[in-house]
Amino acid sequence: EAVLTQSPGTLSLSPGERATLSCRAGQSISTTYLAWYQQKPGQAPRLLIYGASSRATGIPDRFSGSGSGTDFTLTISRLEPEDFAVYYCQQYYTFGQGTKLEIK
Amino acid sequence: QVTLRESGPVLVKPTETLTLTCTVSGFSLNNPTMGVSWIRQPPGKALEWLAHIFSNDDKSYSPSLESRLTIAKDTSQSQVVLTMTNVDPADTATYYCARTDIYGLWVTRFDPWGQGILVTVSS
Repeated sequence: EAVLTQSPGTLSLSPGERATLSCRAGQSISTTYLAWYQQKPGQAPRLLIYGASSRATGIPDRFSGSGSGTDFTLTISRLEPEDFAVYYCQQYYTFGQGTKLEIK
Repeated sequence: QVTLRESGPVLVKPTETLTLTCTVSGFSLNNPTMGVSWIRQPPGKALEWLAHIFSNDDKSYSPSLESRLTIAKDTSQSQVVLTMTNVDPADTATYYCARTDIYGLWVTRFDPWGQGILVTVSS
């Protein structure tokens, strides 16, 4: 069974700062199968990134994904107030435990 | 526009069977590059994948819950149904259905998601 470990568990930053979220897989995976989601309180998750680096429709270009093998990164270049949320990575049927991005 | 909508009971008693329905629109359940999954999220916790159904009616289940889950689809009604037997308070969660994109034999992404339905298991 696939394992995805996200770090940090919580990230405290200010608007305008750069956010770097990590997702580590238990074994090497194809980039095709790595996706990122954003979830705000009371809402369903929303696809941000698929194929490790492709932005989903309507996602601002301040969101970018990178990585290969076992190490993947979601970067938000300049945080907007609406970006503070929980972020999950996903591989096949497995989700990471999430990173909460909170306002410092 | 692709949409999914979950429906079912919001309160079930322990040991009962939970039946949830996902009604989809904007895509066909016969599309070989797509499928539908059920995912749940206990309050304040992470996402947990439960089950998936492919266009050819093949099914996959979470190993930890497989004995309690059944997923099925009614293409004519554009619906995917999940049943969970012998529910417990630990099954209290928001249940989501989501369309999946398939590449090879595997899911690449879940998009979009339904709005979710909060199911509480309590006597």
